[in-house]
Amino acid sequence: EIVLTQSPGTLSLSPGERATLSCRASQSVSSSYLAWYQQKPGQAPRLLIYGASSRATGIPDRFSGSGSGTDFTLTISRLEPEDFAVYYCQQYGTSPGFTFGPGTKVDIK
Amino acid sequence: QLQLQESGPGLVKPSETLSLTCTVSGGSISGSSYYWGWIRQPPGKGLEWIGTIYYSGSTYYNPSLKSRVTISVDTSKNQFSLKLNSVTAADTAVYYCVQIWGNYYYYMDVWGKGTTVTVSS
Repeated sequence: EIVLTQSPGTLSLSPGERATLSCRASQSVSSSYLAWYQQKPGQAPRLLIYGASSRATGIPDRFSGSGSGTDFTLTISRLEPEDFAVYYCQQYGTSPGFTFGPGTKVDIK
Repeated sequence: QLQLQESGPGLVKPSETLSLTCTVSGGSISGSSYYWGWIRQPPGKGLEWIGTIYYSGSTYYNPSLKSRVTISVDTSKNQFSLKLNSVTAADTAVYYCVQIWGNYYYYMDVWGKGTTVTVSS
């Protein structure tokens, strides 16, 4: 079973700053199978990035994804007030299927 | 625009069966590149994949829940359902139904709003 670890657990930043979120897998993951989601309080998660680096429909270009193998990164180039949320990475594998990382909370400094 | 809506009891007694239905609107559940799934999130915690179904009825379950989970599909009603038996307080969570793109890429691109299920006597 592939385990995803996200760091940091919490990232305290100011609007306008750059956010760099890490997702590390215990084994190599196909880039096609790596996605990122944003979740705000009381809301369902929203797909941001799929295939490690492709933005989902309607996602602003300040969000970007990169990485391969076991190390993946979500970057928010300039934080907007609406970007403060929890971010999850997700991978797909044949067994056991989908797994999520524990999440990184981006909060206002 | 595709929408998903979860429905079912918000309160289930311990040892009983949790039953939820997801109604798909604005699109067909029989699309060839799409799978359908259930995700849950205990209060204050992260996301857990429960299982996935294809419109043909093929199912894939999280091994940690496999012995208690059944996911089924009703294409005539454009719905899919979740049954989780022998529930305990640990099954208290927000349950989301999702559309999963499953062709080369695998990701959850449409989510229902979620429904809270509490397991308590």
